[in-house]
Amino acid sequence: SAVISQKPSRDICQRGTSLTIQCQVDSQVTMMFWYRQQPGQSLTLIATANQGSEATYESGFVIDKFPISRPNLTFSTLTVSNMSPEDSSIYLCSAEGGGFNIQYFGAGTRLSVL
Amino acid sequence: ILNVEQSPQSLHVQEGDSTNFTCSFPSSNFYALHWYRWETAKSPEALFVMTLNGDEKKKGRISATLNTKEGYSYLYIKGSQPEDSATYLCAFNTGFQKLVFGTGTRLLVSP
Repeated sequence: SAVISQKPSRDICQRGTSLTIQCQVDSQVTMMFWYRQQPGQSLTLIATANQGSEATYESGFVIDKFPISRPNLTFSTLTVSNMSPEDSSIYLCSAEGGGFNIQYFGAGTRLSVL
Repeated sequence: ILNVEQSPQSLHVQEGDSTNFTCSFPSSNFYALHWYRWETAKSPEALFVMTLNGDEKKKGRISATLNTKEGYSYLYIKGSQPEDSATYLCAFNTGFQKLVFGTGTRLLVSP
């Protein structure tokens, strides 16, 4: 299994600003994932981040809004840019670490945008 | 668009009650079905990965069954305890490394 440290755990931000969320994994992993959970909704995949290549974004998510970095096999960041109240969500990172694509998760970042 | 549904949305039981939840998923392109437990302010924790039709998995008081032909999985908790209070998520896996999650069942167990 993998242990993932995610920070910040929560933040309150002003409209129009940006927030960068960091995830550190305790072992080297090939694939990391970023999810969003809006109130009352399911966990939705934003993008897949592989080291050494650009992130692959899901339909409805764009790089300008959610730029992702993956500088090495243990670290990734997600930036939520030019925030609006609709970006208020829980953001989670995960890493694939077992058979059948088991993913291990960080504890999430609870973001409120005023 | 893959649709994964969970029911009920929320459940409130008394300590000692047994309970079960349902996860419905597409019956085609099945690779695996994952169950996670997510306690508030903690990381979602992997409970089970189920791959074969008829699979039954057990971990302590929690067990799960799988029917891939009809596209559903049940999660059972026997003798619920307050520490079982959490949101239980299922995720459908088509084998392309992406998980599609349901909205979860929020369980509250009162002492």
